[in-house]
Amino acid sequence: AQRVTQPEKLLSVFKGAPVELKCNYSYSGSPELFWYVQYSRQRLQLLLRHISRESIKGFTADLNKGETSFHLKKPFAQEEDSAMYYCALKRGSQGNLIFGKGTKLSVKP
Amino acid sequence: GAGVSQSPSNKVTEKGKDVELRCDPISGHTALYWYRQRLGQGLEFLIYFQGNSAPDKSGLPSDRFSAERTGESVSTLTIQRTQQEDSAVYLCASSLARGTALPLHFGNGTRLTVT
Repeated sequence: AQRVTQPEKLLSVFKGAPVELKCNYSYSGSPELFWYVQYSRQRLQLLLRHISRESIKGFTADLNKGETSFHLKKPFAQEEDSAMYYCALKRGSQGNLIFGKGTKLSVKP
Repeated sequence: GAGVSQSPSNKVTEKGKDVELRCDPISGHTALYWYRQRLGQGLEFLIYFQGNSAPDKSGLPSDRFSAERTGESVSTLTIQRTQQEDSAVYLCASSLARGTALPLHFGNGTRLTVT
C-alpha cells in the first residue's frame, strides 16, 4: 500500500541552525514526491517537487530511492520558516496525492 | 477567481443533520480534489474529479459521504446524517490537469463542527 510517513510531529530548532524534516514513503511504482507548506493563517501551498530538483526559500529535497526517503533540508533556518510541512506522494497516473501527517517546524530566535 | 474558494468557512451542525460544503476551483482547472483534516492528523484523501467525473472515490469514508461536480467547475461535498467524528477541516484543491506534477492549489477549507 502507498504510504507517506513523517515521523516527527514537531521539530524545534534555533535560528541559523540546520533543519531536516524527514519523509519516508512506501510505493511500488516510480514515485513523484512533493513538499507542501502551510504558514500561519495561510492556505496550504506547494513548496517544491522532486522532479524540478529546485531550491525554494533555501530548502532542498533529494529523492533517495534506496532509502525510500525525501527529506527536506535547509542549512540555516529562519524564523519565517516556522510552519506546518507536509510530504506528499503522487499515486499512480491519476494524479491524486496522498499526504503525510505533517511536521510542525518551530524556529526560535 | 484568484484562488480556490470554499464556503462556508465555518459550519456548526447538530448530529444527524445533513451538510453541504462548496468548492469553487480556479477557472480552467480540470482536476479537483477533496481532503479531510481531523485535528492533529494529516490530510486524508476523499475524492478526486477529472472534469465532472470522479475516477477515484476510494477515500470516501462511508456512504453518508458523496460529492458531485457540475460544469467542470463547482463541486459540492455532502455529508448526510452527520456524526461527531465527521468534525474536521474539509479542504478542496484544484489543478490544471491530472497525471502531471502540476501543483495543487488549495482553498482555505471549511471547518465543520458536529455537536
